Amino acid sequence: NAGVTQTPKFQVLKTGQSMTLQCAQDMNHEYMSWYRQDPGMGLRLIHYSVGAGITDQGEVPNGYNVSRSTTEDFPLRLLSAAPSQTSVYFCASRSGTGGLYEQYFGPGTRLTVT
Amino acid sequence: GQQLNQSPQSMFIQEGEDVSMNCTSSSIFNTWLWYKQDPGEGPVLLIALYKAGELTSNGRLTAQFGITRKDSFLNISASIPSDVGIYFCAGPNGSSNTGKLIFGQGTTLQVKP
Repeated sequence: NAGVTQTPKFQVLKTGQSMTLQCAQDMNHEYMSWYRQDPGMGLRLIHYSVGAGITDQGEVPNGYNVSRSTTEDFPLRLLSAAPSQTSVYFCASRSGTGGLYEQYFGPGTRLTVT
Repeated sequence: GQQLNQSPQSMFIQEGEDVSMNCTSSSIFNTWLWYKQDPGEGPVLLIALYKAGELTSNGRLTAQFGITRKDSFLNISASIPSDVGIYFCAGPNGSSNTGKLIFGQGTTLQVKP
C-alpha cells in the first residue's frame, strides 16, 4: 500500500490564482481530512469527509472547497489564493473501525502564495 | 473552544538524556494521541491512549493518560539523534463521531550527538 499520497509536494501561486491540492489513499478508509500547519500553531482542520459524497467544515474552512466523489480521493481547492493561505497542507485518512481517532497523514504540500 | 497546550515549546538535549513533555487541556478528553513529525514529513502516530490512568509504552517512548483526563505526558528514554522532530499531542474535537482532532502547538526536540 502507498498509504496517503499528496501532490504536488511544493507549489508557488500568485494572489488570486486557483489550484487544487490532490490527496489519495489506497487503504479503503472512509474518513479523510485536510489540515493546515503554520509555525507555532500545530495542525488545524480545514474540511473533512466521513464517506463518499459527504463533507463538512472544520475549524478554518474559509477560502477552501472540497468534494468527495470516490472513497480514494479527497481534493482541496483554493478558489482565489491569498498570502494568508501560505502554509503546509496535510491530508489524513482513517478507517471507520478500530481506533476512532488514529489518523494516517500524507507527506504534505508546501504552498507559498505571493 | 477546546484548546491543547504543550510544554515545553522546544527542547535542546544531549544524546542519551531522557525527555519529558506534557499536554494539558481546558476540558476533559476521552482519547489522547501522540504524533511525531520528522522534518519535511507528515505526522506519524506514536501512541494512542483511551483510558484515564493508562500508561502505554512503544519502545523507548512511554505515554500516560492523566487521571483528571485533562492532561497527558510523553517520556522518551535514552534519546538518540533520530528522535529529532516535532511532537504533537492531539485529542477529539467535540463529541461527534467524525474523528475530528484538535492538536497542540507542538514540542520541538533537538538532540545533540
